[in-house]
Amino acid sequence: DAGVTQSPTHLIKTRGQQVTLRCSPKSGHDTVSWYQQALGQGPQFIFQYYEEEERQRGNFPDRFSGHQFPNYSSELNVNALLLGDSALYLCASSSTYGGETQYFGPGTRLLVL
Amino acid sequence: GNSVTQMEGPVTLSEEAFLTINCTYTATGYPSLFWYVQYPGEGLQLLLKATKADDKGSNKGFEATYRKETTSFHLEKGSVQVSDSAVYFCALSLNRDDKIIFGKGTRLHILP
Repeated sequence: DAGVTQSPTHLIKTRGQQVTLRCSPKSGHDTVSWYQQALGQGPQFIFQYYEEEERQRGNFPDRFSGHQFPNYSSELNVNALLLGDSALYLCASSSTYGGETQYFGPGTRLLVL
Repeated sequence: GNSVTQMEGPVTLSEEAFLTINCTYTATGYPSLFWYVQYPGEGLQLLLKATKADDKGSNKGFEATYRKETTSFHLEKGSVQVSDSAVYFCALSLNRDDKIIFGKGTRLHILP
């Protein structure tokens, strides 16, 4: 059983560009959450998707947007990239009916130059 | 607001030493508490959790007890190994499916 997978593993962009990160949840999971982890910091919650809709959102600007597909996979889009968007982006999946434990993927490391 | 505070690192210990990483929380309501571990170059792994007061979470020799009276969830291990070197995050969640709020992490170095 594959766990949470994310792609790509690493990405380099320049300021002003747009980026899309992808996440496939653990088998049987229907909820996907995204987190941003800056260097040396704990992860910060960006938003959560369930039934293809954004269910919760953290304190992130509208430049951060997402999508969930019918197969429960998800995308995170960031527009107008800033240097401060450089971070490890983590995806976590969980099951609405299976308890509260969230399982994390390996992350996508984004560097904005 | 809801938050988690954990001891700053890095923490450096010799192999077989006793480990304590302190964690306290502030929360409205009755959160579930977690310890996650992040090995170099990897994502987060759930180490242990406790969902109500006085519960003890344990895994791989690590333990933590949910103390409501002191709003704490300190991580302990009786004898650490070099392979325990990683960053440890204390975290809380208020409701099932809710976002997880993390502390800043504590880097642990174990010397052989």
